[in-house]
Amino acid sequence: EAGVAQSPRYKIIEKRQSVAFWCNPISGHATLYWYQQILGQGPKLLIQFQNNGVVDDSQLPKDRFSAERLKGVDSTLKIQPAKLEDSAVYLCASSAGQAGDNEQFFGPGTRLTVL
Amino acid sequence: QKEVEQDPGPLSVPEGAIVSLNCTYSNSAFQYFMWYRQYSRKGPELLMYTYSSGNKEDGRFTAQVDKSSKYISLFIRDSQPSDSATYLCAMSAGTGGFKTIFGAGTRLFVKA
Repeated sequence: EAGVAQSPRYKIIEKRQSVAFWCNPISGHATLYWYQQILGQGPKLLIQFQNNGVVDDSQLPKDRFSAERLKGVDSTLKIQPAKLEDSAVYLCASSAGQAGDNEQFFGPGTRLTVL
Repeated sequence: QKEVEQDPGPLSVPEGAIVSLNCTYSNSAFQYFMWYRQYSRKGPELLMYTYSSGNKEDGRFTAQVDKSSKYISLFIRDSQPSDSATYLCAMSAGTGGFKTIFGAGTRLFVKA
């Protein structure tokens, strides 16, 4: 079974530029998550999708961050414009999303550096 | 106060030692408790998963949950250098769509 794929693995941009990250979850997984992990901290949920719909985006800075999951499969996360404090690893995870299931499978992450 | 508190370490132990990792939490609604292991420059991977209070053992790993004290632990027996990683505790009030809250992670180094 293929794992969660993310690209790019690394990205360096200057502040005020825009950037986009891509995630392909495990086939058949209904739930997709985007997390932000700042160095020395645990992952913080940015947005959670159940199929096409948004379940939770309460911690997504909506003035600069946006995410979509077209056709309930792949997802993209965009930052526009980027700030220095956005430097972090952006993790995508997926789960089967069924009742009784809390196991999330994580991708390798995209390490973003904002200069 | 953070919902989940975890000592970031680092924790350094000799090979073969018993390791104890802990988290405390404030939200009494949490019912599901997980431990993830994260190697450097990798995504977290699920190590242990428990529901409500009690113990769960899997090989060299034992997870304990004490809901009355809002305290969870992960024990690693006969620790190996390959166990060197960051261990994240995580908790959720439900399944199938409930938010998971992660601790900050404890960095563990096992010296050969």
